[in-house]
Amino acid sequence: DAGITQSPRHKVTETGTPVTLRCHQTENHRYMYWYRQDPGHGLRLIHYSYGVKDTDKGEVSDGYSVSRSKTEDFLLTLESATSSQTSVYFCAISDKVTYEQYFGPGTRLTVT
Amino acid sequence: GESVGLHLPTLSVQEGDNSIINCAYSNSASDYFIWYKQESGKGPQFIIDIRSNMDKRQGQRVTVLLNKTVKHLSLQIAATQPGDSAVYFCAENGSGNTGKLIFGQGTTLQVKP
Repeated sequence: DAGITQSPRHKVTETGTPVTLRCHQTENHRYMYWYRQDPGHGLRLIHYSYGVKDTDKGEVSDGYSVSRSKTEDFLLTLESATSSQTSVYFCAISDKVTYEQYFGPGTRLTVT
Repeated sequence: GESVGLHLPTLSVQEGDNSIINCAYSNSASDYFIWYKQESGKGPQFIIDIRSNMDKRQGQRVTVLLNKTVKHLSLQIAATQPGDSAVYFCAENGSGNTGKLIFGQGTTLQVKP
């Protein structure tokens, strides 16, 4: 998975609790992305980062925030998890504004 | 091989046959298109890409065809193998040069032995 790890790999949490997912890369790539994958919707971009402390919203950013304080780490936070945020979350990286993104193994999040 | 038509969710082919997976893209401003393969329990993996100034691009056992007139993209896999069983996604870059991708919903390829 091109030097990308995600943690945790699986998580079950209750509605209303905060959750933070971590993406860590060892490739020193500048661009990082968070997607969610749901049946019938494919992959949808939540947030992305084009450098340390530089982030922007994707198409489904409501209810999510991100932070990137170091090149290698991109954190996705659900401030107050809802059942609609049950999904598989993928992190991806790219080294420049190219469209060849490398994906991590995913985190399966279940909100009960 | 079998031709799927525009986004059937599942394509079943016999091992050794050619597979054709189709995709209709949405944004006429898109100038970059990618095919990804996703095996069960894993993240998507880059297969091949094509720019809008090309009609065809070949890789190892795979060919991508682009028809801009009807906004159609296809992935051809030659001599399909059991290891090709996966979900295949097309993606487009939309407008602007931001590195963002818009993914289609995917087609599941099942290879019968």
